[in-house]
Amino acid sequence: NAGVTQTPKFRVLKTGQSMTLLCAQDMNHEYMYWYRQDPGMGLRLIHYSVGEGTTAKGEVPDGYNVSRLKKQNFLLGLESAAPSQTSVYFCASSVGGNTEAFFGQGTRLTVV
Amino acid sequence: GESVGLHLPTLSVQEGDNSIINCAYSNSASDYFIWYKQESGKGPQFIIDIRSNMDKRQGQRVTVLLNKTVKHLSLQIAATQPGDSAVYFCAENGTSYGKLTFGQGTILTVHP
Repeated sequence: NAGVTQTPKFRVLKTGQSMTLLCAQDMNHEYMYWYRQDPGMGLRLIHYSVGEGTTAKGEVPDGYNVSRLKKQNFLLGLESAAPSQTSVYFCASSVGGNTEAFFGQGTRLTVV
Repeated sequence: GESVGLHLPTLSVQEGDNSIINCAYSNSASDYFIWYKQESGKGPQFIIDIRSNMDKRQGQRVTVLLNKTVKHLSLQIAATQPGDSAVYFCAENGTSYGKLTFGQGTILTVHP
């Protein structure tokens, strides 16, 4: 039981490049989330999903897209990376909306 | 807008002391609160949660207190150990089901 797994763990992108971050959970959770964490700040919600095939915008969705084609996977895409997207990205999942969220280990992304 | 904030950004204690980390929230509709611990280079780890129909909940060495009258949440750690050194975040579910809003975090440093 691996919990929440994020790939890759580190990535450096050039401005304008695109990439996809993968999140996988093996706990059969309905809810999945993508957060970003900037230095000295808390986590800010980018997008989330309440079930397979559904997605919704969070607090800071601009510049990102997501997909939840399979219940266990939640993908975060950057179509045209910008330096402002340099951050640590965390994926999380939970059984429901008002239950504990389990987090992955994070992806450190640098856009130069 | 609605927000979750912390009174103290840093807290230094001696090993064996009790620690108290505070959190103020502004969304009176929030009915679920979580405390997370984040160690350097890792994802947030669940510590304890509390629902709005309770004012106190205890775990192993930790206690969460909720005062809905003044919209205040606190985390008490008994007999603090060096391994407790980390950043502690409170989070609330706000008015949007499934969307946790995080505070900025408090850095706890435990001196041997």
